[in-house]
Amino acid sequence: AQSVTQPDIHITVSEGASLELRCNYSYGATPYLFWYVQSPGQGLQLLLKYFSGDTLVQGIKGFEAEFKRSQSSFNLRKPSVHWSDAAEYFCAVGAIEGGSYIPTFGRGTSLIVHP
Amino acid sequence: DAGVTQSPTHLIKTRGQQVTLRCSPKSGHDTVSWYQQALGQGPQFIFQYYEEEERQRGNFPDRFSGHQFPNYSSELNVNALLLGDSALYLCASSVRVQEKLFFGSGTQLSVL
Repeated sequence: AQSVTQPDIHITVSEGASLELRCNYSYGATPYLFWYVQSPGQGLQLLLKYFSGDTLVQGIKGFEAEFKRSQSSFNLRKPSVHWSDAAEYFCAVGAIEGGSYIPTFGRGTSLIVHP
Repeated sequence: DAGVTQSPTHLIKTRGQQVTLRCSPKSGHDTVSWYQQALGQGPQFIFQYYEEEERQRGNFPDRFSGHQFPNYSSELNVNALLLGDSALYLCASSVRVQEKLFFGSGTQLSVL
C-alpha cells in the first residue's frame, strides 16, 4: 500500500528566508507525486506534480520540488518565503489502479511565516 | 468558468441524524471523489463516482454513501452521525483517469 510521511507538523520561517518541507513516500513503483497547499477554510490547490523526467519540478508561486528515488523523498522548496505562503502543505502519492486514480495524502505541514 | 462548488459551507447536526452534502464538479469534468479531512490531518479518501457508479471506495463504513447524477454532480450521505464524523468534507473533480484533481472549498460538518 502507498503511504506518505511528512515528518514536520509545524515549520516556522522568517519572511524572505528559504524553505524546505520534507516528504517521504512508500510505493512499489514510481508513482505520481504532488504537493498541495491549503489556506484556512479552503480546498486544496495543486502546487506541482512529478511523474517522470527531470527530477527537479517547478510549480506555481515560485515553489519547486526535487524527486530523489534513492531516498524516496519529494521535498518542497522555495528560495524566499512571502507572508502569503503561510498555509498548510500536503504531500500526496498516487497511481492509477483499477482504472481509477486515488491519491494518498500525508498529514500535512503547517507553515508559519514571521515578519 | 466555475470551479468545484460545494454546499452547504457549514453544517451542524446532532448524533444519530443524517446529512447530505452536495458537489458540482468543474465544467468538463466527469469524475467526482469525496474526502474526509479531520482536524490536523490530511484528506482521507471516501469514494469515487464515475458514470453514476461508485468505482472505488476507501476504508469507510456503509453509513457513508453517495450518488452521482447524469449532470455529473454528486451527493455524499452520512447516516447515524457520530461525533467522530465531525470534519471538513472535500469534493474533488477530474477528467476520467487523470491525476489532476480540482478541489472544492469543502463543507465543515460539526456533530454535537
